Formats: sequence, structure tokens, C-alpha cells
Amino acid sequence: AQSVAQPEDQVNVAEGNPLTVKCTYSVSGNPYLFWYVQYPNRGLQFLLKYITGDNLVKGSYGFEAEFNKSQTSFHLKKPSALVSDSALYFCAVRDLYSGAGSYQLTFGKGTKLSVIP
Amino acid sequence: ETGVTQSPTHLIKTRGQQVTLRCSSQSGHNTVSWYQQALGQGPQFIFQYYREEENGRGNFPPRFSGLQFPNYSSELNVNALELDDSALYLCASSLQFPGLSNEQFFGPGTRLTVL
Repeated sequence: AQSVAQPEDQVNVAEGNPLTVKCTYSVSGNPYLFWYVQYPNRGLQFLLKYITGDNLVKGSYGFEAEFNKSQTSFHLKKPSALVSDSALYFCAVRDLYSGAGSYQLTFGKGTKLSVIP
Repeated sequence: ETGVTQSPTHLIKTRGQQVTLRCSSQSGHNTVSWYQQALGQGPQFIFQYYREEENGRGNFPPRFSGLQFPNYSSELNVNALELDDSALYLCASSLQFPGLSNEQFFGPGTRLTVL
């Protein structure tokens, strides 16, 4: 079974400050990790993914995420927060070898990011 | 925007009724997945269709069923609606080949309210 934990329901950060949204995961094999963002009354928008390779992954809108295998973490980061970054952020995981074709993503409960002007 | 569309945007039904939600995948994508997102929760995987066949199912009862059509559009059907079925239903499409997975692109969702 695979699972994702986002330990913070809400993160508040001042505009211009760095932000971090935390995510830890559990899979039986190698992980395939994602971050999505959801704005009010909208679907999920893809930010970035990790499959293999460099532990620091760069994505859309200046976001990046750091994969740490020993800590089973995949924290989302941005050097300088914008008010427009305020949204709901979801971490998701899939076991890379969970069966041909099946692409079940398991999501965390989400973290609400509020960037304060 | 992702190119994945869903209809209707909002829907109100009563307990015991049946509902059909529709999804049009992004052009070129051969796989569609459906998720249920209850208020304040992350999306929960319902099932996935690959080349018109169910290709994985989450922990949802058989009254949740689906179809994928040759043009890769899809339907989610829910019979005997219950109050707990009230949620945002998300459709996601992706391009898959055996042994290779790509990211999923989500539609805006259908908000279902069961009274």
C-alpha cells in the first residue's frame, strides 16, 4: 500500500519570504512523486514530478521540490513567495512498479498556503 | 488550461437517484482516471480506464461504474446515490504505454450535491 502525509493543514508565509510545504510518503517500491496545486473552484494543476535522477526537481512558476530517500520526503519549496501562490497544494505518490498500466495516484490531504502581503 | 473538460459543472440530486458525469480527455491521451474529492480532503482514486477497459480500481463499491469510448471520452456513473457521495468529481487524462507513466492532467471537476 502507498500513502502520503502532509503534516501541516495550513502554512502562512509573508510575501517575498521562502516557503516550504512538507510531504512524506510510503511506498513498497520506488516512488513516483508529484505536486499539484488547486485554486478555488478549479481542478488540480500539475507543478512538478520526480521519477529518478537529480534529487532537486524544478517545476512551474518557480517551484521546486527536494527528494530525500532516507527521510522519504518530497518537500515543495519556493525561494520567494507571491500572494498569487496562495492556494491548496497536494502531494501525490505512485509506486513506480505497481503494475503495468495502472496509474493509481495516492494524494495527501492537502496544505493550504496563505501568502500574506 | 489542460484541455480536459468535464460536464456538468454542478449537479444536484436526491438520495437513491442515478447520475452520469462526463469527461473529454486531452487530445492524444489514451488513459482516463476518475477521482472523488470530498470537502477538505485530497482526491481519492475511483478507477482508471486504458484503451476502453478498466485498468485499476480504488476502494469504491460497484455502484460506481464507468466507460471509456473510442474517442477516449469517458463517463462516470453512480447508482443509488447516498449523501456521502456529495463531492467534487475529477477526471484526469494521461498518455500511457506499458511500463511508462506520464503525469495526469485534471479537468475542472463536477460538483455533485446529494440531498
